[in-house]
Amino acid sequence: DTAVSQTPKYLVTQMGNDKSIKCEQNLGHDTMYWYKQDSKKFLKIMFSYNNKELIINETVPNRFSPKSPDKAHLNLHINSLELGDSAVYFCASSPTGVRDGSYNEQFFGPGTRLTVL
Amino acid sequence: AQSVTQPDIHITVSEGASLELRCNYSYGATPYLFWYVQSPGQGLQLLLKYFSGDTLVQGIKGFEAEFKRSQSSFNLRKPSVHWSDAAEYFCAVGAWAAGNKLTFGGGTRVLVKP
Repeated sequence: DTAVSQTPKYLVTQMGNDKSIKCEQNLGHDTMYWYKQDSKKFLKIMFSYNNKELIINETVPNRFSPKSPDKAHLNLHINSLELGDSAVYFCASSPTGVRDGSYNEQFFGPGTRLTVL
Repeated sequence: AQSVTQPDIHITVSEGASLELRCNYSYGATPYLFWYVQSPGQGLQLLLKYFSGDTLVQGIKGFEAEFKRSQSSFNLRKPSVHWSDAAEYFCAVGAWAAGNKLTFGGGTRVLVKP
Protein backbone atom coordinates (compact mmCIF):
# COMPACT_ATOMS: atom_id res chain seq x y z
CA ASP A 1 0.00 0.00 0.00
CA THR A 2 2.99 2.29 -0.58
CA ALA A 3 1.85 5.68 -1.85
CA VAL A 4 4.93 6.80 -3.82
CA SER A 5 7.55 4.18 -4.57
CA GLN A 6 10.92 4.40 -6.23
CA THR A 7 13.22 1.75 -7.63
CA PRO A 8 15.99 1.11 -7.05
CA LYS A 9 16.69 2.38 -3.54
CA TYR A 10 20.42 2.36 -4.19
CA LEU A 11 22.23 2.60 -7.51
CA VAL A 12 25.99 2.41 -7.90
CA THR A 13 27.42 2.80 -11.39
CA GLN A 14 30.43 3.93 -13.37
CA MET A 15 30.94 7.26 -15.08
CA GLY A 16 29.67 7.32 -18.61
CA ASN A 17 26.92 4.77 -18.06
CA ASP A 18 23.22 5.35 -18.71
CA LYS A 19 20.77 4.55 -15.93
CA SER A 20 17.11 4.94 -15.07
CA ILE A 21 15.22 5.47 -11.84
CA LYS A 22 11.57 4.53 -11.72
CA CYS A 23 8.77 6.18 -9.77
CA GLU A 24 5.21 5.03 -9.32
CA GLN A 25 2.36 6.50 -7.30
CA ASN A 26 -0.94 4.86 -6.42
CA LEU A 27 -2.60 7.98 -5.03
CA GLY A 28 -4.49 8.84 -8.20
CA HIS A 29 -2.52 12.07 -8.53
CA ASP A 30 -1.94 13.61 -11.91
CA THR A 31 1.20 15.61 -11.20
CA MET A 32 4.60 14.10 -10.47
CA TYR A 33 7.98 15.63 -9.69
CA TRP A 34 11.67 14.85 -9.45
CA TYR A 35 13.89 16.52 -6.86
CA LYS A 36 17.64 16.21 -6.40
CA GLN A 37 19.34 16.32 -3.00
CA ASP A 38 23.05 16.95 -3.35
CA SER A 39 25.89 16.02 -1.01
CA LYS A 40 25.27 19.15 1.06
CA LYS A 41 21.64 18.08 1.56
CA PHE A 42 20.34 20.87 -0.62
CA LEU A 43 17.02 19.91 -2.23
CA LYS A 44 15.99 21.33 -5.56
CA ILE A 45 13.27 20.55 -8.04
CA MET A 46 14.30 19.20 -11.42
CA PHE A 47 11.09 18.42 -13.31
CA SER A 48 7.37 18.14 -12.96
CA TYR A 49 4.79 16.47 -15.18
CA ASN A 50 1.04 17.00 -15.19
CA ASN A 51 -0.96 14.35 -17.02
CA LYS A 52 2.14 13.34 -18.93
CA GLU A 53 2.87 16.94 -19.96
CA LEU A 54 6.13 18.60 -18.88
CA ILE A 55 5.35 21.59 -16.64
CA ILE A 56 8.58 22.43 -14.82
CA ASN A 57 12.01 21.97 -16.30
CA GLU A 58 14.60 23.65 -14.14
CA THR A 59 18.12 24.22 -15.40
CA VAL A 60 18.99 20.57 -15.60
CA PRO A 61 21.53 19.17 -18.12
CA ASN A 62 19.80 17.55 -21.04
CA ARG A 63 21.51 14.30 -20.10
CA PHE A 64 18.55 14.02 -17.72
CA SER A 65 15.32 13.07 -19.41
CA PRO A 66 12.08 12.42 -17.56
CA LYS A 67 9.67 10.00 -19.15
CA SER A 68 6.03 9.66 -18.15
CA PRO A 69 4.34 6.65 -19.77
CA ASP A 70 1.15 7.37 -17.84
CA LYS A 71 0.11 9.67 -15.05
CA ALA A 72 1.00 7.12 -12.37
CA HIS A 73 4.63 6.83 -13.47
CA LEU A 74 7.48 9.27 -13.91
CA ASN A 75 10.85 7.75 -14.69
CA LEU A 76 14.16 9.58 -14.76
CA HIS A 77 16.70 8.54 -17.34
CA ILE A 78 20.26 9.80 -17.07
CA ASN A 79 22.75 9.52 -19.92
CA SER A 80 26.52 9.63 -19.69
CA LEU A 81 26.61 9.75 -15.91
CA GLU A 82 29.11 12.09 -14.27
CA LEU A 83 30.58 12.17 -10.78
CA GLY A 84 28.51 15.25 -9.98
CA ASP A 85 25.30 13.32 -10.58
CA SER A 86 25.87 11.46 -7.32
CA ALA A 87 22.95 12.48 -5.14
CA VAL A 88 19.68 11.32 -3.67
CA TYR A 89 16.80 11.66 -6.09
CA PHE A 90 13.29 12.03 -4.71
CA CYS A 91 10.11 11.52 -6.61
CA ALA A 92 6.89 13.19 -5.46
CA SER A 93 3.29 13.47 -6.57
CA SER A 94 0.38 15.83 -5.95
CA PRO A 95 -3.25 16.08 -6.97
CA THR A 96 -4.52 18.36 -9.71
CA GLY A 97 -1.49 20.60 -10.11
CA VAL A 98 -1.32 23.84 -12.05
CA ARG A 99 -4.99 24.09 -12.99
CA ASP A 100 -6.06 24.59 -9.40
CA GLY A 101 -5.86 27.95 -7.69
CA SER A 102 -4.19 26.75 -4.57
CA TYR A 103 -1.02 24.91 -3.83
CA ASN A 104 -1.37 21.16 -3.88
CA GLU A 105 0.57 19.24 -1.27
CA GLN A 106 3.24 16.90 -2.54
CA PHE A 107 3.85 13.39 -1.26
CA PHE A 108 7.39 12.10 -1.44
CA GLY A 109 8.88 8.75 -2.25
CA PRO A 110 11.69 7.22 -0.16
CA GLY A 111 14.48 8.41 -2.46
CA THR A 112 17.08 6.73 -4.63
CA ARG A 113 20.72 7.16 -3.67
CA LEU A 114 22.80 7.31 -6.84
CA THR A 115 26.56 6.90 -6.56
CA VAL A 116 28.70 7.45 -9.63
CA LEU A 117 32.24 6.07 -9.41
CA ALA B 1 10.70 33.92 -7.35
CA GLN B 2 10.24 32.29 -4.00
CA SER B 3 13.08 31.48 -1.62
CA VAL B 4 13.56 30.02 1.84
CA THR B 5 16.35 30.75 4.28
CA GLN B 6 17.23 28.67 7.29
CA PRO B 7 19.87 30.74 9.07
CA ASP B 8 21.15 27.98 11.33
CA ILE B 9 23.11 25.22 9.63
CA HIS B 10 23.68 23.26 12.86
CA ILE B 11 22.01 23.36 16.24
CA THR B 12 23.04 21.30 19.24
CA VAL B 13 20.53 20.88 22.03
CA SER B 14 20.46 18.82 25.20
CA GLU B 15 17.86 16.11 25.55
CA GLY B 16 14.83 17.51 27.34
CA ALA B 17 15.61 21.09 26.37
CA SER B 18 13.47 23.17 24.05
CA LEU B 19 14.24 23.58 20.37
CA GLU B 20 13.48 26.36 17.93
CA LEU B 21 14.46 26.27 14.26
CA ARG B 22 14.23 29.44 12.24
CA CYS B 23 12.80 29.78 8.77
CA ASN B 24 12.34 32.90 6.67
CA TYR B 25 10.65 32.87 3.31
CA SER B 26 10.24 35.20 0.40
CA TYR B 27 7.12 34.88 -1.73
CA GLY B 28 4.85 37.51 -3.22
CA ALA B 29 1.54 35.72 -2.74
CA THR B 30 -0.07 33.63 -0.03
CA PRO B 31 2.60 31.23 1.15
CA TYR B 32 2.02 27.56 1.68
CA LEU B 33 4.62 26.54 4.23
CA PHE B 34 5.96 23.20 5.31
CA TRP B 35 8.45 21.62 7.67
CA TYR B 36 9.98 18.28 6.77
CA VAL B 37 12.33 16.08 8.77
CA GLN B 38 14.91 13.73 7.33
CA SER B 39 16.59 11.19 9.59
CA PRO B 40 20.00 9.92 8.49
CA GLY B 41 19.70 7.82 5.36
CA GLN B 42 15.95 8.23 5.27
CA GLY B 43 13.40 10.02 3.14
CA LEU B 44 11.40 13.16 3.87
CA GLN B 45 8.68 13.10 6.47
CA LEU B 46 6.16 15.92 6.70
CA LEU B 47 6.05 17.38 10.21
CA LEU B 48 3.43 20.06 9.66
CA LYS B 49 2.06 22.51 7.15
CA TYR B 50 0.43 25.92 7.02
CA PHE B 51 -2.07 26.75 4.30
CA SER B 52 -4.35 29.30 5.99
CA GLY B 53 -6.25 29.98 9.20
CA ASP B 54 -4.73 29.67 12.66
CA THR B 55 -1.14 30.86 12.52
CA LEU B 56 -0.01 28.35 15.17
CA VAL B 57 0.14 24.94 13.56
CA GLN B 58 0.45 21.65 15.40
CA GLY B 59 2.29 18.78 13.82
CA ILE B 60 3.45 15.28 14.53
CA LYS B 61 6.02 14.24 17.15
CA GLY B 62 5.13 17.18 19.40
CA PHE B 63 6.29 19.88 16.97
CA GLU B 64 4.53 23.16 16.31
CA ALA B 65 5.24 26.12 14.07
CA GLU B 66 4.07 29.70 14.03
CA PHE B 67 3.45 31.68 10.86
CA LYS B 68 4.25 35.38 11.19
CA ARG B 69 3.41 37.21 8.01
CA SER B 70 4.93 40.50 9.21
CA GLN B 71 8.28 38.80 9.73
CA SER B 72 8.00 36.38 6.78
CA SER B 73 8.83 33.62 9.20
CA PHE B 74 7.65 30.11 9.97
CA ASN B 75 9.69 28.93 12.93
CA LEU B 76 9.50 25.38 14.22
CA ARG B 77 9.44 24.60 17.94
CA LYS B 78 9.42 21.68 20.28
CA PRO B 79 9.21 22.12 24.07
CA SER B 80 11.25 19.06 25.03
CA VAL B 81 13.61 17.33 22.63
CA HIS B 82 14.13 13.58 22.53
CA TRP B 83 17.29 11.88 21.27
CA SER B 84 15.28 10.56 18.31
CA ASP B 85 14.75 14.15 17.12
CA ALA B 86 18.35 14.28 15.88
CA ALA B 87 17.90 14.78 12.16
CA GLU B 88 17.96 17.30 9.33
CA TYR B 89 15.03 19.70 9.21
CA PHE B 90 13.85 21.45 6.08
CA CYS B 91 11.50 24.38 5.73
CA ALA B 92 9.79 24.77 2.36
CA VAL B 93 7.39 27.07 0.57
CA GLY B 94 4.95 25.86 -2.05
CA ALA B 95 4.13 28.10 -4.99
CA TRP B 96 1.13 27.28 -7.15
CA ALA B 97 1.97 30.04 -9.61
CA ALA B 98 5.36 28.46 -10.26
CA GLY B 99 3.89 25.16 -11.35
CA ASN B 100 3.12 23.94 -7.85
CA LYS B 101 6.83 23.96 -7.12
CA LEU B 102 8.18 23.32 -3.63
CA THR B 103 11.26 25.39 -2.76
CA PHE B 104 13.35 24.19 0.16
CA GLY B 105 15.63 25.96 2.57
CA GLY B 106 19.16 24.70 3.03
CA GLY B 107 18.26 22.64 6.08
CA THR B 108 19.23 22.70 9.75
CA ARG B 109 21.00 19.74 11.29
CA VAL B 110 19.93 19.09 14.86
CA LEU B 111 22.24 17.22 17.19
CA VAL B 112 20.92 16.05 20.55
CA LYS B 113 23.27 15.72 23.52
CA PRO B 114 22.42 13.19 26.21
